Amino acid sequence: DQQVKQNSPSLSVQEGRISILNCDYTNSMFDYFLWYKKYPAEGPTFLISISSIKDKNEDGRFTVFLNKSAKHLSLHIVPSQPGDSAVYFCAASPDRGSTLGRLYFGRGTQLTVWP
Amino acid sequence: EPEVTQTPSHQVTQMGQEVILRCVPISNHLYFYWYRQILGQKVEFLVSFYNNEISEKSEIFDDQFSVERPDGSNFTLKIRSTKLEDSAMYFCASKGTTSSYEQYFGPGTRLTVT
Repeated sequence: DQQVKQNSPSLSVQEGRISILNCDYTNSMFDYFLWYKKYPAEGPTFLISISSIKDKNEDGRFTVFLNKSAKHLSLHIVPSQPGDSAVYFCAASPDRGSTLGRLYFGRGTQLTVWP
Repeated sequence: EPEVTQTPSHQVTQMGQEVILRCVPISNHLYFYWYRQILGQKVEFLVSFYNNEISEKSEIFDDQFSVERPDGSNFTLKIRSTKLEDSAMYFCASKGTTSSYEQYFGPGTRLTVT
């Protein structure tokens, strides 16, 4: 079951630069996408989301882009800070009327921001 | 800020024993979920719960698993007879309304089956 894929297990970026985390999905029924951040020994923390009717959503340093035709989304963090170092999970939800919100997760990308 | 809490943080049990993992979702939330993450693997959905009944369960959630909301605040996951392969982090999550997608996760319970 690889409906949500994060093909880069790790990413290393210098502080102040842009971090770009990528995610691909295969299920055309997904209509809402979320990014979660996870620190060790903690649960996933909701970061930002985007509906399939949009192609961009921005919240402070975080921007998510959605390309529905390519079934691809990305999370941009600008500027990156050492505190952003964490595992980032991409998650997707099918039409809410059919599943009441079950999330499908990717395997995660470990982001390391170095000074 | 309201948060989801889970107890215990770590549970060690012997194979074949029953365990109950506890969660207190955010107080005004209506939808409740359990997920698990086996070490090195992705977070996997187990079950969703709404209006005092299971609304969806995955193929992982077999007859050994059950969920309950025994009162107005707690949400529990019971594994009747644990297996070695049940060792994982178990996360509880909740969300507020039908129109929202964002689920808020607790810190997790690490279950170790020996």
